[in-house]
Amino acid sequence: AQSVAQPEDQVNVAEGNPLTVKCTYSVSGNPYLFWYVQYPNRGLQFLLKYITGDNLVKGSYGFEAEFNKSQTSFHLKKPSALVSDSALYFCAVRDKAYGQNFVFGPGTRLSVLP
Amino acid sequence: DTEVTQTPKHLVMGMTNKKSLKCEQHMGHRAMYWYKQKAKKPPELMFVYSYEKLSINESVPSRFSPECPNSSLLNLHLHALQPEDSALYLCASSQGTDDGYYGYTFGSGTRLTVV
Repeated sequence: AQSVAQPEDQVNVAEGNPLTVKCTYSVSGNPYLFWYVQYPNRGLQFLLKYITGDNLVKGSYGFEAEFNKSQTSFHLKKPSALVSDSALYFCAVRDKAYGQNFVFGPGTRLSVLP
Repeated sequence: DTEVTQTPKHLVMGMTNKKSLKCEQHMGHRAMYWYKQKAKKPPELMFVYSYEKLSINESVPSRFSPECPNSSLLNLHLHALQPEDSALYLCASSQGTDDGYYGYTFGSGTRLTVV
């Protein structure tokens, strides 16, 4: 079965500092990995995805994520955090071998402090 | 047009009311989804429509009734809801369900309160 873990409920970082939001996954086949961001009372917005190829994926708003197959991780990163990055972040996986629907992680709330 | 539009944005309804949520997309996506999201939790899949046919119903109570009149439109009919059904209801679409390559485009959601 597929599963996604985001080990931190909350991440706090000072504005201008680098940020990392962690994600680990478990799938039976090859994973398709995604990051979404959700601002208050809004839907989820796509940030980036890993399908195949280069392990470092660049996405929207300066975010990037690194796929690490041996550690089954897909951590989200940004070199310099902005206050406007404060939001709820969801990691999600789709397993082509198992099924096509997303399995979402529990979410990590990011707070960027001025 | 690269959006999924949901109406209404907010809805308050009594437990005996009948109401409907509407979702529309004009991106040519052939798969559409309803999710339910409680506060500070991830979205939970309710229904999947693929090529206008219901392909997945995640054991959702019958007081929720989905409808897909055409490839651009998805409705969720609500009847005799309970207060615990209060949540953010999200609609999403994708190019298809057969290939996990495609991500979803989400609408902004309808905030439903059952009183």
